[in-house]
Order: sequence, then C-alpha cells, then structure tokens
Amino acid sequence: GAVVSQHPSWVICKSGTSVKIECRSLDFQATTMFWYRQFPKQSLMLMATSNEGSKATYEQGVEKDKFLINHASLTLSTLTVTSAHPEDSSFYICRTLAGLYNEQFFGPGTRLTVL
Amino acid sequence: KNEVEQSPQNLTAQEGEFITINCSYSVGISALHWLQQHPGGGIVSLFMLSSGKKKHGRLIATINIQEKHSSLHITASHPRDSAVYICAVIPNTGNQFYFGTGTSLTVIP
Repeated sequence: GAVVSQHPSWVICKSGTSVKIECRSLDFQATTMFWYRQFPKQSLMLMATSNEGSKATYEQGVEKDKFLINHASLTLSTLTVTSAHPEDSSFYICRTLAGLYNEQFFGPGTRLTVL
Repeated sequence: KNEVEQSPQNLTAQEGEFITINCSYSVGISALHWLQQHPGGGIVSLFMLSSGKKKHGRLIATINIQEKHSSLHITASHPRDSAVYICAVIPNTGNQFYFGTGTSLTVIP
C-alpha cells in the first residue's frame, strides 16, 4: 500500500537554528500535502496545506515566514522551521491523499525539540 | 466549540474486555475516519466510513449519519491495542479534517 515517510523522525536543535522536515510519498504522487502540529496531549492542528507547484495556504495564526513550506515535486514536501524557538518544540506530521477514494496517509511524524 | 467530540478521554481496560469509544460530530460530513496513534506518535488510519459498519479483525466501526455519531469497538482487547484513538471527520465542504481530542486507551495484561 501507499507509504508516506518523514525525515528526520526526531531532531534536537539550538534556539535560533532552522530545521527542515521532509515528507515523501514513496510509491504514489501526492498532489496535496497537509502539515500538522501536535502538542502533548492535544489534537492535531492544521498548519498549512500545500499543492504541488503552488504556494501553500496557511491557517490563521501560522506565520508563513517562520514555517516555510515547499512542495516542488509530486513526491516531496518540506516544512522548514526557521529561527526555531523552544515554543516551536512539537510533533510535526504530514498527511496526504491517494487513490480513487482519497485514502488518507499520515507520515510517521517528526519530534522537534528546541533547546 | 469543537466540531468533533470523543468519549471517554481516557480508558483503562483489562485484557480481553470489549471496548467502545464514541464520537459525535456537529457538521455535515463526507466521511469519518478512525485513527490510531501509538506512543511513538505515528498515525494509522483504521477505518474510513461514510455509512453503516466496517470490520477489520477485532475492530468494528459503525456510523449513524442521521444522529451524527460513530463508535469504534475493540473485541477481546489486548495490551498491544494500547494507543490513542482519534475520530476525525471530513466535512462536506472540503478535504480538511476536524479531529477529536482522542481517547487514550490502556489495556492491562
């Protein structure tokens, strides 16, 4: 079946650095990618929706200059957390759709810890 | 107000017990998903429902569109079923998900 991978699975970085998270569809083309953030014990919060070849659509309250999303190919979408701060520490997950019935596939997630 | 409400929030069961998790939603939907999130964080889609009932192994999911309610049942629960179960709906208006807050299930041997 379709698989979505994320890299890295976890990352620890210093405050002020930038971190890039990759989300890849391994055996299908992902036209649309959704990026979520999940804080401990909370539900997933949609950050942005990206479509291949076009600018991402960000949810209200999400800074597009801080969370840069690139969806340059049908198999790769990236989320870059720029100038990361401790409050950006979270679990970041991507989701995409595939197939005739829009089956949902989630990436395994990336746990970001900013010191 | 959350469009999707789940109950219970936390559930502890003995191995072998029959488990039910409930989900109510307030919007018109095109589909409802039950998701499983293990402690490591990865999410797996268990079921996608738009009507009726689906069964996969020991898991059964039902939905009542008129009542805007769905249930996830686990028969003969096992410690490996311990996870957070999340109900998510796709509204008629698009591909966005509305997520419930999840039910944390712990099955004790």
